[in-house]
Amino acid sequence: GEDVEQSLFLSVREGDSSVINCTYTDSSSTYLYWYKQEPGAGLQLLTYIFSNMDMKQDQRLTVLLNKKDKHLSLRIADTQTGDSAIYFCAVSGGSYIPTFGRGTSLIVHP
Amino acid sequence: GAVVSQHPSWVICKSGTSVKIECRSLDFQATTMFWYRQFPKQSLMLMATSNEGSKATYEQGVEKDKFLINHASLTLSTLTVTSAHPEDSSFYICSARRQQVGDTEAFFGQGTRLTVV
Repeated sequence: GEDVEQSLFLSVREGDSSVINCTYTDSSSTYLYWYKQEPGAGLQLLTYIFSNMDMKQDQRLTVLLNKKDKHLSLRIADTQTGDSAIYFCAVSGGSYIPTFGRGTSLIVHP
Repeated sequence: GAVVSQHPSWVICKSGTSVKIECRSLDFQATTMFWYRQFPKQSLMLMATSNEGSKATYEQGVEKDKFLINHASLTLSTLTVTSAHPEDSSFYICSARRQQVGDTEAFFGQGTRLTVV
C-alpha cells in the first residue's frame, strides 16, 4: 500500500519561511493534500494539488510537486506564531481515500 | 459551508461500557463518511469507510464487532465503541465527502477524545 513519510519536527523563527517536506511511494497517486491540525482539534484542509500540476500557490502557501521523485513540499511564507501546528501530508488515488503521513510539528518561535 | 460536527468533543467512560460518537455533516449531504483513530504523535489510521444505507467497510485489523458504525442518513454516521477498555482511549476523527461526482475533498470533524478509565 501507499506509504507517506514526513519529518516529525520543524522549528523556525517568526517571519522566516517554513518548508515541510513529504515523500510518498505510489506513483499513481492523483491527489495530494496538506492538512493542518491545531491542538485538540480536527484537521483543516489547507490546500491540495493534482498530480498533473507542479506548483500551486495560495497566498502564503506554496505547494511544489516533483512527481519523478514522489516528493511534495509545503512552503509557508512569513511564518507566524499562529502557524504553529501539526501539518499532515496526505495522498490519494482514484478512491479519494487519503493516506496520511505522521505529521510534522511546526514550532514558530519569536 | 461544508461543516462537519462531531459530538461529543470529549468523553470519559468506565471500562466495560459503550460509547457512541456522532458525526454530522451540517450543510451538505455526505455519501461517504470515514472514521479515523489517532494515537499521540501518530498519523491518522483509517478505521472504516461508511456509505449511507450500507454496511461499513472496515480496514484490516479493525474489529467490526468492537467498533460499530452506522450511517443511517446522508448527514449522520455514528461510531459506537462497545465494551470499551483503556486501550481504546484515543482521539477519534470523522470526515465526510460531499455527494458530488468527482468531489475529492473530505471535510473533517473536530475529533472526539475518548478516555476509558
